[in-house]
Amino acid sequence: EPEVTQTPSHQVTQMGQEVILRCVPISNHLYFYWYRQILGQKVEFLVSFYNNEISEKSEIFDDQFSVERPDGSNFTLKIRSTKLEDSAMYFCASSEWGVGDPAISNKNIQYFGAGTRLSVL
Amino acid sequence: SQQGEEDPQALSIQEGENATMNCSYKTSINNLQWYRQNSGRGLVHLILIRSNEREKHSGRLRVTLDTSKKSSSLLITASRAADTASYFCATDAYQGAQKLVFGQGTRLTINP
Repeated sequence: EPEVTQTPSHQVTQMGQEVILRCVPISNHLYFYWYRQILGQKVEFLVSFYNNEISEKSEIFDDQFSVERPDGSNFTLKIRSTKLEDSAMYFCASSEWGVGDPAISNKNIQYFGAGTRLSVL
Repeated sequence: SQQGEEDPQALSIQEGENATMNCSYKTSINNLQWYRQNSGRGLVHLILIRSNEREKHSGRLRVTLDTSKKSSSLLITASRAADTASYFCATDAYQGAQKLVFGQGTRLTINP
């Protein structure tokens, strides 16, 4: 069964360093997402990406964050200068279609990767 | 309460019993989805129910949706130890928003 894969599974970095989290979405999917989950808290939406551009982002996704689809398979999240409060589990997700059209609701199920645990020291 | 609030926050039952978890939300939705998360792992999609559906089944899972009360329930029948996990409801916004809004989750423990 196709799945979303994320690397690395655990990333340790020093405060102020740049990190890139990598994701390979499911191959026929068109919409890509990043979410994060601080330990013990809710899963929070960061950004959605479609047709090589950001389609929606949250207030968390500030200028320190960026996303890119550098080739036909990878989807990356970059944090330019990490802060202690960026420590969290970061999840990538993909869906065949975007949310919003009830007629194709099964095609907008978001499938999640296993996550990258980011530890900022 | 915030969008996608589950209750109870924690539930502990004996293997073989049924587990019921509830979710409330605030805005109009297209769909409501339930996900499972094993400790420290990713989110696994369980079931999606559309706003025009009232009940849906998938194996041992039964989901109901009451849009008038903006609430949903997830019933797991004949629970197994492997069902031990956190369960989250997630909603989308009606007007084409891309993001899912997750609740705090219910931590379900199945005791052998």
